Amino acid sequence: NAGVTQTPKFQVLKTGQSMTLQCAQDMNHNSMYWYRQDPGMGLRLIYYSASEGTTDKGEVPNGYNVSRLNKREFSLRLESAAPSQTSVYFCASSELQEKLFFGSGTQLSVL
Amino acid sequence: RKEVEQDPGPFNVPEGATVAFNCTYSNSASQSFFWYRQDCRKEPKLLMSVYSSGNEDGRFTAQLNRASQYISLLIRDSKLSDSATYLCVVILYSGGGADGLTFGKGTHLIIQP
Repeated sequence: NAGVTQTPKFQVLKTGQSMTLQCAQDMNHNSMYWYRQDPGMGLRLIYYSASEGTTDKGEVPNGYNVSRLNKREFSLRLESAAPSQTSVYFCASSELQEKLFFGSGTQLSVL
Repeated sequence: RKEVEQDPGPFNVPEGATVAFNCTYSNSASQSFFWYRQDCRKEPKLLMSVYSSGNEDGRFTAQLNRASQYISLLIRDSKLSDSATYLCVVILYSGGGADGLTFGKGTHLIIQP
């Protein structure tokens, strides 16, 4: 029973490098989310996808792009990483907005 | 602007004690409320929903006070394993998708032996 699977768990980038965080869920959920969590800031929504083929910006979308590849997968891309993007990233999915299931997170450091 | 506020703590509580903390929200039109639990370096997990009539699950009781615009979480007979950060979630169904869901920054609880 995998639930929401995120990869990688840890990543170190140099400023200007690009990378894609992968997320997949096996619960047949329509909605998927990307959050970042920083000390003292709580969880902040980066992007959201209500269904396959649709994406919407959240609170902090600048510097990120997303792709809802299919119903299962929702990836987050950093085109040119900046130190301000050092954070813990969580992917989540839900059928109803109330109950979000989160992946185990990606700890990203940008040097 | 939606705003959800929590006392960050930490709340240091002896094992076996009862502890309670609140979460206030600014938008009176908010419609659904939840508590999530997050262990250190782990993902948040849904703990319980908060209904107008209150909700009890074992040692945990969640309540909603619409007049004063806050929700509360009470933990009785606290265990060492209750040490975690507790996040409140407030939802406003405005048709704006996930923008209507707001997490509080969390209250850090430490149960001491």
